[in-house]
Amino acid sequence: DTGVSQNPRHKITKRGQNVTFRCDPISEHNRLYWYRQTLGQGPEFLTYFQNEAQLEKSRLLSDRFSAERPKGSFSTLEIQRTEQGDSAMYLCASSPPLSRHTGELFFGEGSRLTVL
Amino acid sequence: AQSVTQPDIHITVSEGASLELRCNYSYGATPYLFWYVQSPGQGLQLLLKYFSGDTLVQGIKGFEAEFKRSQSSFNLRKPSVHWSDAAEYFCAVGDTTSGTYKYIFGTGTRLKVLA
Repeated sequence: DTGVSQNPRHKITKRGQNVTFRCDPISEHNRLYWYRQTLGQGPEFLTYFQNEAQLEKSRLLSDRFSAERPKGSFSTLEIQRTEQGDSAMYLCASSPPLSRHTGELFFGEGSRLTVL
Repeated sequence: AQSVTQPDIHITVSEGASLELRCNYSYGATPYLFWYVQSPGQGLQLLLKYFSGDTLVQGIKGFEAEFKRSQSSFNLRKPSVHWSDAAEYFCAVGDTTSGTYKYIFGTGTRLKVLA
């Protein structure tokens, strides 16, 4: 059983560029979450998908951020016109359907973004 | 609103000493509670979780935590710390009220272990 996979693991970009991160959840997990973790802080919730539907978005998710999960499998998180304040670790997590949900989220290793 | 407080930003202990990391939560219903550990540059690793039942839960790497409803606490303990335990520790509460089951994390406690 493979875990949650995130790519790329590290991304360095210049301010103003667009970046995209990909998350492949554990197979058969229909729930998918994105979190952001800045230096010295705990992870903060960004958005949640159930299958392909984006059901909740945090106020942290500005207009420059967009997340998709087009076929209910992998998800992408795109940041447009990056700013230095976007530098962070972006974490993806998944969990099974409610009928089999244990309350536990399964996290990937994260994608670290550095904006110069 | 739901929240998690980890009062200690940094803790330093000597190798072999006991450890207790504090976590207080604010949550209206019966909480799902978690402790995660994160080594530098790494992802989150689940140490232990509490959903219901026995309030003393055992986890990996010799860690345990005790749920105290009256104190809204879920403190993490280890009787004898090893140098490899140096890392950042996060307490989290699972939000089941909205149906998302998302986590709300504390700000973390960074553990330093002296040889």
